[in-house]
Amino acid sequence: IQMTQSPSTLSASVGDRVTITCRASQSVNAWLAWYQQKPGKAPSLLISKASSLEIGVPSRFSGSGSGTEFTLTISSLQPDDFATYYCQQYNSYPYSFGQGTKLQIK
Amino acid sequence: QVQVVESGGGVVQPGRSLRLSCAASGFTFRNYAAHWVRQASGKGLEWVAVISSEGSKKYYGDSVKGRFTISRDNSKNTLYLQMDTLRTEDTAVYYCARDPGPAGYMDVWGKGTTVTVSS
Repeated sequence: IQMTQSPSTLSASVGDRVTITCRASQSVNAWLAWYQQKPGKAPSLLISKASSLEIGVPSRFSGSGSGTEFTLTISSLQPDDFATYYCQQYNSYPYSFGQGTKLQIK
Repeated sequence: QVQVVESGGGVVQPGRSLRLSCAASGFTFRNYAAHWVRQASGKGLEWVAVISSEGSKKYYGDSVKGRFTISRDNSKNTLYLQMDTLRTEDTAVYYCARDPGPAGYMDVWGKGTTVTVSS
């Protein structure tokens, strides 16, 4: 299953509301996770099952969608949120990631 | 604390083999599935393989199927990735990650170990 994220790069300012989209080439139901990765670091899990926020993840992060279209929304960007975000489907093997969305400071 | 720590990376010639290890601590390793995920420099994440908690089920990404073997030793709390017939395109940071389910996603990640395939 091919996962396509848009945009690939997103420029925004602190306090902005941003949305990243992830589209699957076929339905993955709700079996979708979102990760955040900072330079030189391992990814960290934000959201599973499309909309379930991981414990400890700030509530400004939210996920939605099902089937083939999903979104990750950050309601009010904080300085710590500038990073690269990946979606991952785990509906069927082989599992696959989107190509990533780099969120950078405007 | 809950953690996984990868080791075994290095520089290897094309066509040769390498085995990565991942030591788990702070949780009951035998209760969790585990994944390998890799990332080439400046590129995105690529899922490599997963193994079930007891080791009976294994699945692989298309680019490594038939060349890489995932395994585990629950008595040693250790995950492995045997990489054979290595190619230059296998050069990447390899991450070990815990699966909280078996669910299919990864909730605990190691810092990674670097594999460079070069002549």
